[in-house]
Amino acid sequence: EAQVTQNPRYLITVTGKKLTVTCSQNMNHEYMSWYRQDPGLGLRQIYYSMNVEVTDKGDVPEGYKVSRKEKRNFPLILESPSPNQTSLYFCASSLKGTNTEAFFGQGTRLTVV
Amino acid sequence: GQQLNQSPQSMFIQEGEDVSMNCTSSSIFNTWLWYKQDPGEGPVLLIALYKAGELTSNGRLTAQFGITRKDSFLNISASIPSDVGIYFCAGSRTSGTYKYIFGTGTRLKVLA
Repeated sequence: EAQVTQNPRYLITVTGKKLTVTCSQNMNHEYMSWYRQDPGLGLRQIYYSMNVEVTDKGDVPEGYKVSRKEKRNFPLILESPSPNQTSLYFCASSLKGTNTEAFFGQGTRLTVV
Repeated sequence: GQQLNQSPQSMFIQEGEDVSMNCTSSSIFNTWLWYKQDPGEGPVLLIALYKAGELTSNGRLTAQFGITRKDSFLNISASIPSDVGIYFCAGSRTSGTYKYIFGTGTRLKVLA
């Protein structure tokens, strides 16, 4: 089954404790992206990757890091989480950048206390 | 960062009614996408638009890429209860990239 898998689905952590949210796709897509979703603000792009070892900032990259060492994985790293990073996070993948973002993961709800 | 203005923010409609929502921007876009998000799930792509003036249908859904390239519209005909959810528009200003800006969403509730 074609899918984008995020882990964990839910995470509660404390301020300053480094964490990683994993994202994996099994469709051999070149393009992957991370979003955060907040009430009243919709989806905002954090980082995206057009291919292995190619990443770029989205609209709200501050406080986040990503890596793309292999095509299928695109982890989101929070080196020192803060409460304003409490949000619902989505990973997405697409075959081509000028094509559509056809597949989203099921989301990771992160709470930073 | 910029966000798209999407309206209405929410709407209640009766089953069987038609629904219209739109998305506007101060900037020109090259691509418009429409997504639906069900509770507890990630967004699912409904329709993609690539040319100004383009009108595309997907079942009971029809979307249009505005002539000015600064807006897009989504219509749902003969709504049914499973149409409930949040509908998002998304636009891309630059072709060949993967950077999309999303609207704030329209929450649709259908009364049976």
